Amino acid sequence: GAGVSQSPSNKVTEKGKDVELRCDPISGHTALYWYRQRLGQGLEFLIYFQGNSAPDKSGLPSDRFSAERTGESVSTLTIQRTQQEDSAVYLCASSFSVLSGANVLTFGAGSRLTVL
Amino acid sequence: DQQVKQNSPSLSVQEGRISILNCDYTNSMFDYFLWYKKYPAEGPTFLISISSIKDKNEDGRFTVFLNKSAKHLSLHIVPSQPGDSAVYFCAAIRNAGGTSYGKLTFGQGTILTVHP
Repeated sequence: GAGVSQSPSNKVTEKGKDVELRCDPISGHTALYWYRQRLGQGLEFLIYFQGNSAPDKSGLPSDRFSAERTGESVSTLTIQRTQQEDSAVYLCASSFSVLSGANVLTFGAGSRLTVL
Repeated sequence: DQQVKQNSPSLSVQEGRISILNCDYTNSMFDYFLWYKKYPAEGPTFLISISSIKDKNEDGRFTVFLNKSAKHLSLHIVPSQPGDSAVYFCAAIRNAGGTSYGKLTFGQGTILTVHP
């Protein structure tokens, strides 16, 4: 598609359940990012994939969080044993390997996760 | 360690006046900077960027200024319009030699409100 697609757009789950969020980046984009935004907070970096390089997982808040990316396509962010503090909008973005005025980070609309 | 900081959480401006949003960074390796705008329930959208080889970039009502010695950038919006009301994020990355290194680091955001 023309943009970054994320699913589901909304997810309500019970504490302790696992959730999986999906991101379809723009075709040809080698870099893929996951960020989250909790209510009233800024954009918090989670994980970054760049081509075949090892992902930068430095932003993952705990070992309950993991993400995978198949080649240069779809990525899934998995949160195990969800906690109420995991409630946030999870944003995916993709870009070419170099950023310029023509090629920048493009975000999806986000997946809103609510943990009851 | 907050490498990109937006110290003003909010800014209120009258329609037609200038809006100035500020951003400071600490990592001297950053050489490419971007501003994003975010409306509620939407993903951030790219607004304007600047490379460290420049000190100013202008696009219509939006101008970004970069002061490398002070590690400071600012976004000027003139004239401000009610539709500009949104959260504005600055972001930075090392983008040398035609390749982007590492993740795009965002500030915490500034909520701009433009009053009619």
